[in-house]
Amino acid sequence: AQRVTQPEKLLSVFKGAPVELKCNYSYSGSPELFWYVQYSRQRLQLLLRHISRESIKGFTADLNKGETSFHLKKPFAQEEDSAMYYCALRVDFGNEKLTFGTGTRLTIIP
Amino acid sequence: DGGITQSPKYLFRKEGQNVTLSCEQNLNHDAMYWYRQDPGQGLRLIYYSQIVNDFQKGDIAEGYSVSREKKESFPLTVTSAQKNPTAFYLCASSNRGYGYTFGSGTRLTVV
Repeated sequence: AQRVTQPEKLLSVFKGAPVELKCNYSYSGSPELFWYVQYSRQRLQLLLRHISRESIKGFTADLNKGETSFHLKKPFAQEEDSAMYYCALRVDFGNEKLTFGTGTRLTIIP
Repeated sequence: DGGITQSPKYLFRKEGQNVTLSCEQNLNHDAMYWYRQDPGQGLRLIYYSQIVNDFQKGDIAEGYSVSREKKESFPLTVTSAQKNPTAFYLCASSNRGYGYTFGSGTRLTVV
């Protein structure tokens, strides 16, 4: 079965420093990868998806099939980036079902 | 104002009782999902439905039941067979290719 691993439960970064949230997956085929974010007192929401190859709020993520990774990166952290981040995987293109990782709580230190 | 509404926000249940969590969406999405969120365990899929009158078990379906009689509604029943029901429950919906829209969640506590 497919699996998503986020090795860091907690990550603290100083404001202005680079951010990298790690995500690794196990699946032998061609998956679709997502990052979801949950800000304090807000609903879980889509941040970005690899298929769009876009940058949202300064965040980017590149799918590395060789390393089976989809790390989320931002060059300069901002205080409003503090949130819970979940990596998610879709493998069956007949439906939209997602498998989520355990999440990383990112705290930006002013 | 389009979105997903989960109710109630907080729910208390006595041991041995069944309880039903409501999830309604007005986004005209075909697919709906129930996840359970526990600290340190992320989101785990309970049940999902891709069309009306059809649903499939997720990874942790034991002790739960669902129905999908209308496109807009996907209620989740937590039965007395669920051994550890205290958790935060999230409902979501999706349309092909646009990711999930999540509800605000229901926190269930067994007392």
